[in-house]
Amino acid sequence: AQSVTQLDSQVPVFEEAPVELRCNYSSSVSVYLFWYVQYPNQGLQLLLKYLSGSTLVESINGFEAEFNKSQTSFHLRKPSVHISDTAEYFCAVSYSGGYNKLIFGAGTRLAVHP
Amino acid sequence: GAVVSQHPSWVICKSGTSVKIECRSLDFQATTMFWYRQFPKQSLMLMATSNEGSKATYEQGVEKDKFLINHASLTLSTLTVTSAHPEDSSFYICSARPSGKGDEQFFGPGTRLTVL
Repeated sequence: AQSVTQLDSQVPVFEEAPVELRCNYSSSVSVYLFWYVQYPNQGLQLLLKYLSGSTLVESINGFEAEFNKSQTSFHLRKPSVHISDTAEYFCAVSYSGGYNKLIFGAGTRLAVHP
Repeated sequence: GAVVSQHPSWVICKSGTSVKIECRSLDFQATTMFWYRQFPKQSLMLMATSNEGSKATYEQGVEKDKFLINHASLTLSTLTVTSAHPEDSSFYICSARPSGKGDEQFFGPGTRLTVL
């Protein structure tokens, strides 16, 4: 069955430290990959996506993720986090192409401490 | 832009009653809307895909007679949980995809349903 695994339910980190949120998916011929962020009392917002082309994708607020086909991973990284990055992060995969059907991971709670 | 709202944000109801949840795209038209369900500390699970003017497409294992979906306009989709039971208590989230584009889904803030 198609699935997405986020290995860490919670990641505590100090401000300005680097962070990596892990995401693995079940193998498929073709996938589209997404990271969403959810701030308290708000809807999910698209952080970044991989559809095709360069395997390294970046967001406007310093996050990046790399599509690794051989390891079926799409880990999210940031070299230096801020307090404002505290949120829930969801990895999602579309096996059918585009935004038609998203399969989500369970989410990782990133808690940035001063 | 691209704001999706849900109403109510939380609701508590008695077992056996029906509850309606609204999902609105506030500043764009959405031919397609999606309904998800999220249990605590678990993934969002797609329940159904709602297309304006036609019947919703339900995912395997989702009872269409229990979770009634209506998408009567390009800005509104409703999910009605009929004869709710405590096991229906969950977080329900909708998303909307702008019409005419192969564009991303924009998510609502979710509705917390508690059935006593």
